[in-house]
Amino acid sequence: QKEVEQNSGPLSVPEGAIASLNCTYSDRVSQSFFWYRQYSGKSPELIMSIYSNGDKEDGRFTAQLNKASQYVSLLIRDSQPSDSATYLCAVNTRGTYKYIFGTGTRLKVLA
Amino acid sequence: GAVVSQHPSWVICKSGTSVKIECRSLDFQATTMFWYRQFPKQSLMLMATSNEGSKATYEQGVEKDKFLINHASLTLSTLTVTSAHPEDSSFYICSARGIPSGSVNEQFFGPGTRLTVL
Repeated sequence: QKEVEQNSGPLSVPEGAIASLNCTYSDRVSQSFFWYRQYSGKSPELIMSIYSNGDKEDGRFTAQLNKASQYVSLLIRDSQPSDSATYLCAVNTRGTYKYIFGTGTRLKVLA
Repeated sequence: GAVVSQHPSWVICKSGTSVKIECRSLDFQATTMFWYRQFPKQSLMLMATSNEGSKATYEQGVEKDKFLINHASLTLSTLTVTSAHPEDSSFYICSARGIPSGSVNEQFFGPGTRLTVL
């Protein structure tokens, strides 16, 4: 059973702090990794994709991938109340276009 | 770019009726579309994968005769929930991957359709 695991939270951080979200996956041949943000009642919105080991930065967001340890993380710098949402980790396995989603981590940024 | 629309955004129907949901890629050709279902406070569960011009591939446990999927063109896929029952009430979300996209593996999500069956 291929699994993607996230801590459901809520993760509470003060405004301006760094929020760190983690995701682990079980399938070693996983190839592509994605972070989506989902506001309550809305559909997911792509924040970052990462394919190679290391860090990838985009504005206030940094995705980190460690394939040897089978985890991917998302750092949000200078967290804002508008960042309060559920963050979904998705993993794509080589040879298929399907995603496997984690259960999501609910982030609360306190003003 | 990479905009996906869904229609309707919400629908309320009586038990036993059928409901059709449309998913359109507005500015790109979607070679593959995916249909997900999300219950409250749960993650997205993939129901099926559809490729233009071929039969959909359903995930284990999803009844293909109940959830009819048609991917008639490179910009349109439809999901029909037949003989809907209250337990089918959920948030149905489609996504699409296609050409061009930032990565061949990226999926772009529609805004979702909230189905309530009375």
